[in-house]
Amino acid sequence: DGGITQSPKYLFRKEGQNVTLSCEQNLNHDAMYWYRQDPGQGLRLIYYSQIVNDFQKGDIAEGYSVSREKKESFPLTVTSAQKNPTAFYLCASSIQGTHTEAFFGQGTRLTVV
Amino acid sequence: AQSVTQLGSHVSVSEGALVLLRCNYSSSVPPYLFWYVQYPNQGLQLLLKYTSAATLVKGINGFEAEFKKSETSFHLTKPSAHMSDAAEYFCAVSEAVRGYNKLIFGAGTRLAVHP
Repeated sequence: DGGITQSPKYLFRKEGQNVTLSCEQNLNHDAMYWYRQDPGQGLRLIYYSQIVNDFQKGDIAEGYSVSREKKESFPLTVTSAQKNPTAFYLCASSIQGTHTEAFFGQGTRLTVV
Repeated sequence: AQSVTQLGSHVSVSEGALVLLRCNYSSSVPPYLFWYVQYPNQGLQLLLKYTSAATLVKGINGFEAEFKKSETSFHLTKPSAHMSDAAEYFCAVSEAVRGYNKLIFGAGTRLAVHP
């Protein structure tokens, strides 16, 4: 089945640690995205990538980093510089172009302990 | 910049009753609008999208939405609620930024369905 796989589903991090969230898609989509979801705030864009080896900051990129070495993969690293990392993180992908629908993974819930 | 506003963070209906979830948009160009549904601890699933082909858009699970330019609205409706419709619903508008697709989401409306 084609889709987007995020792992792990739940992740716990100690303060001061970096953690990496995995996102893999087999939809052959060029564009991939990372969103952060907090209660009552909808989804906010962290980073996006239109092609391999290229990515751009979204609205809330501070404290996050990404890479796009393969078309299928778009991992997100939450660094220790992110002051409030506890949230639900969603990865999405879409075909290239504007106004196309995005397909979402099942999400990773990150909790700082 | 484009934006969407969802009126009502929580909506509660009885099973079998009409579902109406409100979304108003702000856009200086003809908008492309989406409704997504999210079940607890899950990702988002596309319900329907408006791309200017028709003002009344039918989606999955019996949902539909009507685009009204004069009211800048794109409300989501379902004639008869089912218990399985309980979820959070997000309205979104698509903005073209440097050739890519940026989705701007509303804050969401949580729908509760009671017997």
